[in-house]
Amino acid sequence: EPEVTQTPSHQVTQMGQEVILRCVPISNHLYFYWYRQILGQKVEFLVSFYNNEISEKSEIFDDQFSVERPDGSNFTLKIRSTKLEDSAMYFCASQTGLRRSDTQYFGPGTRLTVL
Amino acid sequence: GQQLNQSPQSMFIQEGEDVSMNCTSSSIFNTWLWYKQDPGEGPVLLIALYKAGELTSNGRLTAQFGTTRKDSFLNISASIPSDVGIYFCAGRDMDSNYQLIWGAGTKLIIKP
Repeated sequence: EPEVTQTPSHQVTQMGQEVILRCVPISNHLYFYWYRQILGQKVEFLVSFYNNEISEKSEIFDDQFSVERPDGSNFTLKIRSTKLEDSAMYFCASQTGLRRSDTQYFGPGTRLTVL
Repeated sequence: GQQLNQSPQSMFIQEGEDVSMNCTSSSIFNTWLWYKQDPGEGPVLLIALYKAGELTSNGRLTAQFGTTRKDSFLNISASIPSDVGIYFCAGRDMDSNYQLIWGAGTKLIIKP
């Protein structure tokens, strides 16, 4: 069964450094998402991406964040200058379409630790 | 912002017992989803609901989309040890095509 994959599984970085989190969505999916989950808290929406542009973003997704689909398979989340409070699990998700029956499938997540 | 209240926060039950958890929203939702998250993994969809009043089962799991469209519940019958984990409700309100709004999760702990 196809699945969303994410790399790395764990990223440790120093405050102020740039990080790029990578995702490979399911191949025939058209809609892509990033969510984050601070330890012990609920999942929070960051951004959705369709047709090579951002379709929706939350207040969390400020100028320090950017997303890109650099080729036909990867979907990346970049944090330009990490802060301590960026430490969280980051989940990528993908979806076939926007019918309500189209499920968002989640990757296993990248744990980001900012020191 | 949009709020989803999920309760209970945690449940500590005996194996074989039935479990019930619910979510309420501050506005009307057009989609309710229930996910399970195991430690160190991403959420996995259990049940999806798309119509008010809809009742859907997936094995021992049953979920309903409330008739007010502002709530949903998930029941697990005859719990087993592998049911342990965190259960999240998530939904999509009328103003968004994309983002899912999430509850805070219900942590299920089962005593053997």
